[in-house]
Amino acid sequence: TQLLEQSPQFLSIQEGENLTVYCNSSSVFSSLQWYRQEPGEGPVLLVTVVTGGEVKKLKRLTFQFGDARKDSSLHITAAQPGDTGLYLCAPENQAGTALIFGKGTTLSVSS
Amino acid sequence: NAGVTQTPKFQVLKTGQSMTLQCAQDMNHNSMYWYRQDPGMGLRLIYYSASEGTTDKGEVPNGYNVSRLNKREFSLRLESAAPSQTSVYFCATTKDGTGYTGELFFGEGSRLTVL
Repeated sequence: TQLLEQSPQFLSIQEGENLTVYCNSSSVFSSLQWYRQEPGEGPVLLVTVVTGGEVKKLKRLTFQFGDARKDSSLHITAAQPGDTGLYLCAPENQAGTALIFGKGTTLSVSS
Repeated sequence: NAGVTQTPKFQVLKTGQSMTLQCAQDMNHNSMYWYRQDPGMGLRLIYYSASEGTTDKGEVPNGYNVSRLNKREFSLRLESAAPSQTSVYFCATTKDGTGYTGELFFGEGSRLTVL
């Protein structure tokens, strides 16, 4: 069974602040995706990371995949109210047939 | 282009009643999934169908059945609803499975309350 932990569970910050959220496991992942979900909607893909040590940037969002492919982080620079939402990490299951989601980090950015 | 359409969007059931959640996609994707989302629990996989004609159990299949009716449609059935099945249910699709090639496209969700 893959144990997946996301931290922090909740984060409330002011516009302009920086933040980092984490996704950790004791299992090695073949790949990992990050999704953002807004209230009343389904999650939407932000990025997929595949290679250990990989860093991907999406505007003010920076995603990193750990060297051992057991963890990942999402860093947001100068957060804006539009970044508010639930951030979910989702590695492949061990069979490679579906995605398993973490419990998520709920981010609230106030102006 | 609708993408992934779920019906109904809202439903209230009494304990013991049965119902079917419908999911249809017009993306010509092969793989379809049902997840449930509960506060503080994230998304948990119920069942999935890697291709037309196949279905497999996910993390939390008990109390549910599925049917992959054709390539477009994947339904989730609750035979005897229980309060523990109160949740928001999401259908999702990918073109050819998950991993580095597989972006999940989600429907808007179906909110089910079992009294």
